[in-house]
Amino acid sequence: EVQLVESGGVVVQPGGSLRLSCAASGFTFDDYTMHWVRQAPGKGLEWVSLISWDGGSTYYADSVKGRFTISRDNSKNSLYLQMNSLRSEDTALYFCAKDGYYGSGTYYLHYFDYWGQGTLVTVSS
Amino acid sequence: DIQMTQSPSTLSASVGDRVTITCRASQSISSWLAWYQQKPGKAPKLLIYKASSLESGVPARFSGSGSGTEFTLTISSLQPDDFATYYCQQYNSYSGTFGQGTKVEIK
Repeated sequence: EVQLVESGGVVVQPGGSLRLSCAASGFTFDDYTMHWVRQAPGKGLEWVSLISWDGGSTYYADSVKGRFTISRDNSKNSLYLQMNSLRSEDTALYFCAKDGYYGSGTYYLHYFDYWGQGTLVTVSS
Repeated sequence: DIQMTQSPSTLSASVGDRVTITCRASQSISSWLAWYQQKPGKAPKLLIYKASSLESGVPARFSGSGSGTEFTLTISSLQPDDFATYYCQQYNSYSGTFGQGTKVEIK
C-alpha cells in the first residue's frame, strides 16, 4: 500500500524558514517524480514544485521560485521542501504527491495518483 | 500560463442524477487533463487521467471526455459518496494548473 506522510508544518513568522518532509513507502520511490501541492484555507489546489526520480531536474511555480527548494533522499525514501522568506500567502496545507507516470522521457509533470494527508504551514506574526 | 476554468462552481443534485462538470483550458492541452475528487479535510483522490482514462478502483459511473480546450467529467448516477468538490488539472505545461473547483451539493 502506497503511503505518503508529511511532517514539519508549524506556525512561522513572515520572513522565516521551514523545512517540510514527506516519508514514502509502498512503492519504488526512486522510480518516480515527486511533487508538492498546496491548498490555502478554503481555497483550491496549487502545484508548487517537482523533482525528478534522480533529483536531476526540479521545477517550481512562479509564486515560490527563488524562495523554495525541493530535494529528495532516495536512500531514505524521503522528499523535502525547504521554504525560505515565507509570506502570509504561503499559508496552506502542503501535500506531498506521487507522479502517476512511470517511464522514460524528459517531461516530468503529469497527474498525481497518490497524496499524503498534508501538513499545515501558517505564516503569521 | 494556462488557465483552467470550471463550471459550474456549485452544483445541487439528487442521488441518482446524471451530473456533468465542464473544464475549459485557455489554450490547447491535447488530452493532458486529470480530474480529482476532494472531500472536506481529506487529500484529493485521482479519478481520471489523460482526459478519459479511469484510474484503477474508481467506479465506472465516473467518466471523462474531451480534448484540446474543452473537457467534461460525468457522473452517470450520483451516489451519496459522490458529494464532494471536483477539480480538473492540466499537465501540458510546467504550471500544472488546477481549475477552481466544483462543489457538488445535495439538493
